Amino acid sequence: DAMVIQNPRYQVTQFGKPVTLSCSQTLNHNVMYWYQQKSSQAPKLLFHYYDKDFNNEADTPDNFQSRRPNTSFCFLDIRSPGLGDAAMYLCATSRDLAREGVQYFGPGTRLTVL
Amino acid sequence: GESVGLHLPTLSVQEGDNSIINCAYSNSASDYFIWYKQESGKGPQFIIDIRSNMDKRQGQRVTVLLNKTVKHLSLQIAATQPGDSAVYFCAGQNDYKLSFGAGTTVTVRA
Repeated sequence: DAMVIQNPRYQVTQFGKPVTLSCSQTLNHNVMYWYQQKSSQAPKLLFHYYDKDFNNEADTPDNFQSRRPNTSFCFLDIRSPGLGDAAMYLCATSRDLAREGVQYFGPGTRLTVL
Repeated sequence: GESVGLHLPTLSVQEGDNSIINCAYSNSASDYFIWYKQESGKGPQFIIDIRSNMDKRQGQRVTVLLNKTVKHLSLQIAATQPGDSAVYFCAGQNDYKLSFGAGTTVTVRA
């Protein structure tokens, strides 16, 4: 089945220690998104890639970076995680940036910062 | 920007009854809306969508109603089952960007 896969499902890191979260998709979608979701809150968009074009949301901290080496994979890098970065990180994809394009989400990676 | 909100943060429903989850939006330019279901520890799962030129759309056991006059949409779940227990988000879309509401937690009582 075509899907959005995130690894690992649970990640523990130490305060200030760089961490990378991974997302892959078999949907062959052009757009990949990263969201941050804190407990009992709605997902918050961090950035997205349309093909190789990177688009950062205005309020995304510089501490968060992303890489998309090919169509299938996208990575979220947190350069110096703080305690406030503990959250669920969701990857999503959509076929295009169309006004009516459904975004399909992966299962998420829950990040704990010690 | 878009502001999307849900009327009630929690909803408790008896198994077999119908559920109604409400959502209000502020930006009349939003022309596409999606309902997502998020189970504990999982990512949001697409349930149903509706375009602004429609006022009703039906899926399997779910119906979405859109009232553009009062900027309100609702999700109706027929014959609610234990597996329907989850957080439900409405989202309005402007271009590619989804604006999520805060979410309603639905608990199904046996």
